[in-house]
Amino acid sequence: GAVVSQHPSWVICKSGTSVKIECRSLDFQATTMFWYRQFPKQSLMLMATSNEGSKATYEQGVEKDKFLINHASLTLSTLTVTSAHPEDSSFYICSAAQVGNYYGYTFGSGTRLTVV
Amino acid sequence: LAKTTQPISMDSYEGQEVNITCSHNNIATNDYITWYQQFPSQGPRFIIQGYKTKVTNEVASLFIPADRKSSTLSLPRVSLSDTAVYYCLVGDLSGGGADGLTFGKGTHLIIQP
Repeated sequence: GAVVSQHPSWVICKSGTSVKIECRSLDFQATTMFWYRQFPKQSLMLMATSNEGSKATYEQGVEKDKFLINHASLTLSTLTVTSAHPEDSSFYICSAAQVGNYYGYTFGSGTRLTVV
Repeated sequence: LAKTTQPISMDSYEGQEVNITCSHNNIATNDYITWYQQFPSQGPRFIIQGYKTKVTNEVASLFIPADRKSSTLSLPRVSLSDTAVYYCLVGDLSGGGADGLTFGKGTHLIIQP
């Protein structure tokens, strides 16, 4: 089945620094990937849609200059949290679907970001 | 995506069958119903998807009545490892995976010994 790998699984960074999270589709090509954020005891919230070779589309209220998304290849999307602050601490999850052979989205294992 | 309503939480015991119902009164003709499972600190995992009547796979069954305004996820003989949050999503799949998902609050299923 379709596999999405997300790295790192957890990261701790100092306030003001930037953190990059990678999302890879291992056995299929993904022209579109998605980034979600999940706060404790809450549901997933879609942050942005990552499109290969073009700019990402951000959901309302998500700062595009803070959450930089790059989708340079059909198997890799990255999310960079710039100038991270404690309120950015959250669980970040990526997902993708095998377009043309769609049968549900595959999610990465998530990245726990803690900003201290 | 059509709005969905699920119970916030449910409790059951090992070996029992668990049924989680999801209401989606404004489901559209092209909408499919999909269920995901999420364990703590993990990404959601696809469980099952259907359009009408009944769908069964190796882990669950999905029952959808004729009016499609609700659906029921059935987990046979649950175990402690089925303790998780279950999300019901309803949406048009014509985008073929090109659209992000809108998650509701989900149902926190707790299985006890």
